[in-house]
Order: sequence, then structure tokens, then C-alpha cells
Amino acid sequence: EVQLLESGGGLVQPGGSLRLSCGASGFTFSGYAMSWVRQAPGKGLEWVSAISGSSGSTYYGDSVKGRFTISRDNSKNTLYLQMNRLRAEDTAVYYCAKLNSEGNNWWFAFDIWGQGTMVTVSS
Amino acid sequence: DIVMTQSPDSLAVSLGERASINCKSSQSVLYSSNNKNYLAWYQQKPGQPPKLLIYWASTRESGVPDRFSGSGSGTDFTLTISSLQAEDVAVYYCQQYYNTPPTFGPGTTVDIK
Repeated sequence: EVQLLESGGGLVQPGGSLRLSCGASGFTFSGYAMSWVRQAPGKGLEWVSAISGSSGSTYYGDSVKGRFTISRDNSKNTLYLQMNRLRAEDTAVYYCAKLNSEGNNWWFAFDIWGQGTMVTVSS
Repeated sequence: DIVMTQSPDSLAVSLGERASINCKSSQSVLYSSNNKNYLAWYQQKPGQPPKLLIYWASTRESGVPDRFSGSGSGTDFTLTISSLQAEDVAVYYCQQYYNTPPTFGPGTTVDIK
């Protein structure tokens, strides 16, 4: 069964840091681009970041560029999101998602989602 | 960034009746070189992550019931639930992936009348 499981969320003070992890199983992790998408409480969906299967390419939304870093360890089937200089507006459920693909082509549609991990930025 | 809008914000439909949700993009998401619309639809039930229903505007994801269908091209799209079931109560989002950043619509809540 294809599965994504996020961890690492919690309460952090403004200006602090947190690292999220997403463990993947049930598919060849290294063969797929992956992404983080967040959802503030009671709000809609916001794309955060993405990384290619080989880690050769990374992408960021403007609201997190320069503060967040996406990475992956294909030997551990794990995706990461290092979040620095956190702000109150970063409070959200963070979902790990697999990007839809066909052969060597992939695009920013998200076909598998984890259950999410909650990040709360508050003093 | 491409701005996605949805209408209505919410709708209530009787069981077995048709539900339609509209989505509009601020610019065309039709890629002329392959004639594909870079538009997806997701369903999110309370307390759950989103689930991909439709991609390429009209291609149903594996395992999605055929009562869900997507249509439209360019800037105007529609998600139709042909016969609403109780388990379809959810928020539905459209999303464009023509440009980076990918952007989502604000969501449409579907409930039972």
C-alpha cells in the first residue's frame, strides 16, 4: 500500500526552527518528485515546496523562499522540510504529497497525500 | 501567479441529484503543444487530507467513482457529481499546475439538502 507519514510538527516560538519528515512506503520513492502543501486552520490549500526525484531541482513558494529548505534522502525513503525563522502565519497542517507523473515526466498535481502534521507558531 | 476562483462557495444538493462546481483561472491553463489543460480537482473530507479526483481537467484518477466528471478548457472548468451520495459531503478544490507556483481555488463545500 502506498503511504506517506509525516512527523516533526509541534509548537514553536516565532523566529524558531522545526524540521518536518515524511516517510514513504509502497512505491519507489527515488523515482518521484515530492512536495509539501500546507493548510492553515479553517483555510484552503497552499503549495509550499517541491523537489525532484534526484534532488537536482527544488522549488519554493514566495512566502517561504529563503526560510524553508526541502531535501530528501532516497536511501531512507524520507522527505524533509527544514523551517527556519518561523512566523505566526506559518501555522498550518503540513502535508507531504507525491507528484503525479508518467514515465520521466512529472507535474504539480498531487496524487498521494499523507495525513499531515500540525505546526503551531506562537509565543 | 495564476489566481483560481470557484463558484459557488457552497451548495446543498439532495441525495441522487446532480452537483456542479465551477472553477475559473485568471489565465489559460491549456498548453498548446500537447493540448492538455493543467487543471486538477481534489476532494477533502473533514479531518482528512485532500484526495486527487481528476487531472488533465477530465481524467479520473484510478479508483474514483464514475459519478465524478471534469470538463472545460482554457480558463473555465466544471466538476460534476452526477448523483450525489452521502459520502460525497466534502470541500472540493480546483488547482492549476500550468505555472509554478501551483495554485488552488478557495474551495466549494458540498452538503446534503
